[in-house]
Amino acid sequence: RKEVEQDPGPFNVPEGATVAFNCTYSNSASQSFFWYRQDCRKEPKLLMSVYSSGNEDGRFTAQLNRASQYISLLIRDSKLSDSATYLCVVNPGREYGNKLVFGAGTILRVKS
Amino acid sequence: DGGITQSPKYLFRKEGQNVTLSCEQNLNHDAMYWYRQDPGQGLRLIYYSQIVNDFQKGDIAEGYSVSREKKESFPLTVTSAQKNPTAFYLCASRAGTGLHEQYFGPGTRLTVT
Repeated sequence: RKEVEQDPGPFNVPEGATVAFNCTYSNSASQSFFWYRQDCRKEPKLLMSVYSSGNEDGRFTAQLNRASQYISLLIRDSKLSDSATYLCVVNPGREYGNKLVFGAGTILRVKS
Repeated sequence: DGGITQSPKYLFRKEGQNVTLSCEQNLNHDAMYWYRQDPGQGLRLIYYSQIVNDFQKGDIAEGYSVSREKKESFPLTVTSAQKNPTAFYLCASRAGTGLHEQYFGPGTRLTVT
């Protein structure tokens, strides 16, 4: 089983749609969680950190479910500019040197 | 402007040659990282350094070497021993404690023929 698993997609949605991505992680002791966005042939950029209580940043909402070991990202009112690959990233903690573990990414294509 | 720079953006080398990729940051971050990304795969950690003059192997260190003589610089050498060196190489840095997020440079796309 991969340490961080994501549905690779692609998710093809129309502008204005709501889309949700899930990500599961295998290490129950994982300490911190992030969503990064990566555009084609560019570096990953931090979209948001994920907190236990869930957090929202504009059209983006992240949720963490420790019991089921999954993280979700919800994008409301999708824009064409949201088209990218979304990377789920997990920090398994000090025991593992605080080394981030990256999922392979979920591709989102927003169409007009 | 604070940030992480990597050079060059594109690099072409012949098989059997060593090549060094540059990574510089002016964010005053203690920790720096090197990853490689292959199509359809997640980022894989090559080497990381949490403090000057110290570094550790990541998951795929074979065929690579690094140095960390200055806080702001963490160059990566891809040696001829690396069997599949063609990839997108990303450098990152992190501030504060281990649980903080990492920030990435723009990457170097290496092609070896």
